[in-house]
Amino acid sequence: DTAVSQTPKYLVTQMGNDKSIKCEQNLGHDTMYWYKQDSKKFLKIMFSYNNKELIINETVPNRFSPKSPDKAHLNLHINSLELGDSAVYFCASSQRVNEQFFGPGTRLTVL
Amino acid sequence: AQSVTQLDSQVPVFEEAPVELRCNYSSSVSVYLFWYVQYPNQGLQLLLKYLSGSTLVKGINGFEAEFNKSQTSFHLRKPSVHISDTAEYFCAVTEGSYQKVTFGTGTKLQVIP
Repeated sequence: DTAVSQTPKYLVTQMGNDKSIKCEQNLGHDTMYWYKQDSKKFLKIMFSYNNKELIINETVPNRFSPKSPDKAHLNLHINSLELGDSAVYFCASSQRVNEQFFGPGTRLTVL
Repeated sequence: AQSVTQLDSQVPVFEEAPVELRCNYSSSVSVYLFWYVQYPNQGLQLLLKYLSGSTLVKGINGFEAEFNKSQTSFHLRKPSVHISDTAEYFCAVTEGSYQKVTFGTGTKLQVIP
């Protein structure tokens, strides 16, 4: 069983489109995260939810909107995609202050 | 505010040689420290962690790290590397109960046959 899963794995789209990435964890963790990893492998946190409540919201354009329907799911919706949004997006989950479990990543390419 | 510095962006090392990947952190409170490994086209997975207790922490795949509070370091070591250790390694820190984790910029370990 996959602990943290993301769909889709690859996403290729045109500038200006709207897209969503889904994330699910079956570990029973309370906290979920979205990270962006750029081409230089730099990993930056975007959002974090704890029991469906937003607790971390870094400096991210408001075109990015997370949504947590329940504590096992954290989706990321992106409006009006731009070239600079091209990156690998990772979902992760953790239980309190402890290790994070990462999903396999979604490689987003904006043309 | 917490921060993490990985000074070496790339570390080439011959197979079966020892390696040390350096990590320094900055924080005003007690911290929790982690090392993650990322193999090509995969997500990150935990190598080891320091939450409390013994400052020498052993992880998977023969890696270990030592927490040094006075030097604010958490260097990762392995006595003998294998080709399969070629990957990107990330040091990470989190403060107290605040669940924000800050990652270093990563060190690419390249094992040369």
